Amino acid sequence: EDKVVQSPLSLVVHEGDTVTLNCSYEVTNFRSLLWYKQEKKAPTFLFMLTSSGIEKKSGRLSSILDKKELFSILNITATQTGDSAIYLCAAPMEYGNKLVFGAGTILRVKS
Amino acid sequence: KAGVTQTPRYLIKTRGQQVTLSCSPISGHRSVSWYQQTPGQGLQFLFEYFSETQRNKGNFPGRFSGRQFSNSRSEMNVSTLELGDSALYLCASSLDQGRGYTFGSGTRLTVV
Repeated sequence: EDKVVQSPLSLVVHEGDTVTLNCSYEVTNFRSLLWYKQEKKAPTFLFMLTSSGIEKKSGRLSSILDKKELFSILNITATQTGDSAIYLCAAPMEYGNKLVFGAGTILRVKS
Repeated sequence: KAGVTQTPRYLIKTRGQQVTLSCSPISGHRSVSWYQQTPGQGLQFLFEYFSETQRNKGNFPGRFSGRQFSNSRSEMNVSTLELGDSALYLCASSLDQGRGYTFGSGTRLTVV
């Protein structure tokens, strides 16, 4: 059965810290892995990763995929209170647009 | 361009009633997927519609159904509501397979 597993489930850090969120996956005919940030309601898109070893960056956030070991990490440097959110990792299934999500990592950044 | 629009934003229903939720995708997107999000189960896939046809279905009982119209707007219906149906219902729209997924703000359903 296809699955996505995230760790840790929750994390509390102080402003300025660097955090690493983990996502492992087992997906038939893997196509891509996605990261989302969810603050209130709508998950907002962060990254789509398809190729192994190529880091994607957006400001203080970066992510990389390892297709051999079947995992991805999301790094956030110099965290701010506005980074407090649920971070979701997901992978589309073999056919269509069904996404399988991990349970999410709840990140809380304390000032 | 306008994002994914879900209506209503909030809904309170009593057990046994039925409810219809609406999702208008981004203009030009033909795929609409629905998800249920609860604290205990996370985000779970309900179904996906593409060009008015159901393309994928999750493991939910038959009380959960959906449809898509020719303008790509989609509705989902839940009949005979149960307390456990209380959740945030999210829809996501996409151009086609693997081309990126944009979520709406969701409908918060509370069943009392």
